[in-house]
This record gives sequence, structure tokens and C-alpha cells, in this order.
Amino acid sequence: KQEVTQIPAALSVPEGENLVLNCSFTDSAIYNLQWFRQDPGKGLTSLLLIQSSQREQTSGRLNASLDKSSGRSTLYIAASQPGDSATYLCAVNQAGTALIFGKGTTLSVSS
Amino acid sequence: EAGVAQSPRYKIIEKRQSVAFWCNPISGHATLYWYQQILGQGPKLLIQFQNNGVVDDSQLPKDRFSAERLKGVDSTLKIQPAKLEDSAVYLCASSSGGRLASYNEQFFGPGTRLTVL
Repeated sequence: KQEVTQIPAALSVPEGENLVLNCSFTDSAIYNLQWFRQDPGKGLTSLLLIQSSQREQTSGRLNASLDKSSGRSTLYIAASQPGDSATYLCAVNQAGTALIFGKGTTLSVSS
Repeated sequence: EAGVAQSPRYKIIEKRQSVAFWCNPISGHATLYWYQQILGQGPKLLIQFQNNGVVDDSQLPKDRFSAERLKGVDSTLKIQPAKLEDSAVYLCASSSGGRLASYNEQFFGPGTRLTVL
């Protein structure tokens, strides 16, 4: 049974810092991995999708990497801003099935 | 392109009452999902539809939850009767479907926050 773990559960940083969020999964047979952002009381916004054949994806200040063989993904946020404060969720997709999510990392960026 | 629409956004009910949520997926998306997100947890799948057929409802509490997707477009999720532990955010998502990995990117609606008193 696939399990997704995110570390740390919470993170507080000052504005301008670069930071890394970690995601690990137990079954490497995945189709893709998605990173989402969730603001309080809101739905999920897709940030990046990495297909199983890819090693990384970039969007603006965000870079996500995938090491399928070791069951790990990282989300790198450069030059963090207070507007980046949110919960970041990692989810894996196995052969067109529903996503399996971690519990998320709650990020707080102070100005 | 319009996103996934859900209504209502918020609902407060007493335990043992019934409630229904509605979802309209992105136009042309064949696959529709309902997830339940309890506070502090990641979303968990309740049911997955492919067009108007059920693909996976193994985690749906069928004694109280039901869902349908008429004509392969809109979907309704119902809870009857509600329990205190059903308090959660109910998220609807859709994807294009198909076997290519890129088709499986899921797009989420804003969710319905249910409080059961």
C-alpha cells in the first residue's frame, strides 16, 4: 500500500531564504507526482507535475525534483516571500488512479 | 478555461441530517474524483468516476454516503445521515483521463467545508 510522508510538518523562515520541502513515498511504481499549494479555507492549486520519466520541473521560483528509485521528491522555493505562506501537499499518482497525498508541510514566511 | 466548480462553499448541519454537494468538472474531463480532507490531513479519495461509471469507491462509507454522475458531467455527493466525524472539506477534482501520464493531472475545485454539530 502506497504511503506518502512529508517532512517537516511545519516550517518558519524569514523572507528571502531559500528552502526545501521533502516528500517520500513507499512504492516507486508511480505515473507522476504533483505538488500542490493550499491556502487556509481554500482548495488545492497545482504547482508542478513531474512525470515518472522526468527528473525535475521548474516554474518561476519553484523547482521540484523526483528520484523515483529512492522514493523521494523535493520542492525547492527560492527567495521566499510572505505570499508563499501556505500548506504544501505532495501527491503521487499510480497508473491513472486517484492521488495519494501526504499530510502536507505548513510554511510560514515572515517579513 | 473555467475551473472546477463546487457548491455550496460552506454548510453547517446537525448530526443525523442529510446534505448534498454539487460539482461541475472542467469541460471535456472524463474523470471526476471526490476527496474528503479532514483538518490537518491530506485529502483522501472517496469515489472516482470515469465518464458516468464508478472506477473506485472502495473508501466510500456506503451506508451513509452516495454519489452519482449523471450524463458523465456534473456530480452530486450525498451524506445521509451525517455524523460528527463527517466534518471535513469535500473536494472535487477532474482530469482528462487516458493512459498518458500527462492526462492524469488533476485540477481541484474550491471545496465545500462541512461542519456537523
